[in-house]
Amino acid sequence: AQSVSQHNHHVILSEAASLELGCNYSYGGTVNLFWYVQYPGQHLQLLLKYFSGDPLVKGIKGFEAEFIKSKFSFNLRKPSVQWSDTAEYFCAVNRGGYNKLIFGAGTRLAVHP
Amino acid sequence: EAGVAQSPRYKIIEKRQSVAFWCNPISGHATLYWYQQILGQGPKLLIQFQNNGVVDDSQLPKDRFSAERLKGVDSTLKIQPAKLEDSAVYLCASRLQGAGETQYFGPGTRLLVL
Repeated sequence: AQSVSQHNHHVILSEAASLELGCNYSYGGTVNLFWYVQYPGQHLQLLLKYFSGDPLVKGIKGFEAEFIKSKFSFNLRKPSVQWSDTAEYFCAVNRGGYNKLIFGAGTRLAVHP
Repeated sequence: EAGVAQSPRYKIIEKRQSVAFWCNPISGHATLYWYQQILGQGPKLLIQFQNNGVVDDSQLPKDRFSAERLKGVDSTLKIQPAKLEDSAVYLCASRLQGAGETQYFGPGTRLLVL
């Protein structure tokens, strides 16, 4: 069965530190890849997505992610985090041709001022 | 543009009781999803509608869960009877038809079964 793995369940950083959150998926065919974020008290919203083309995708708020097909990975990065990035981050995969998202378990990020 | 609306936001019931959740998707969105998110896990798809038809309900526990989208707009998810393990956040999402379209999520209904 298709699965999505997020390696870090909790991450604690100081402001201005760099961030990388790992995401690996198990499906070998064509995939569409997403990162969603959930800020405290708010609903899930899309950070960025990859469908095709340049494997380095830029999203909102300075986030980016790189699709590495050979590693089945789609890691999320931000060079310098802010306190306002404190949130839970979810990686999700959608097999090509299907409109069904499979989510990872999420990574809870806490950024200290 | 109004987002996905859900109600109620919170619900506490006792096991074996029934409960219903309502979702109103973004106007014009043909696809509607219900997800279950248990504490510490990512959302898990329960059912997907395309207009008023079910596309995928393979992970819906049909002995106790039911969902409908009769007019192809808003939708109701019901649990009858509820079990302790149904305690979770129930998320509704909607999406325009077409490849590359994003799913937009509502605020969710947090259910606690005692």
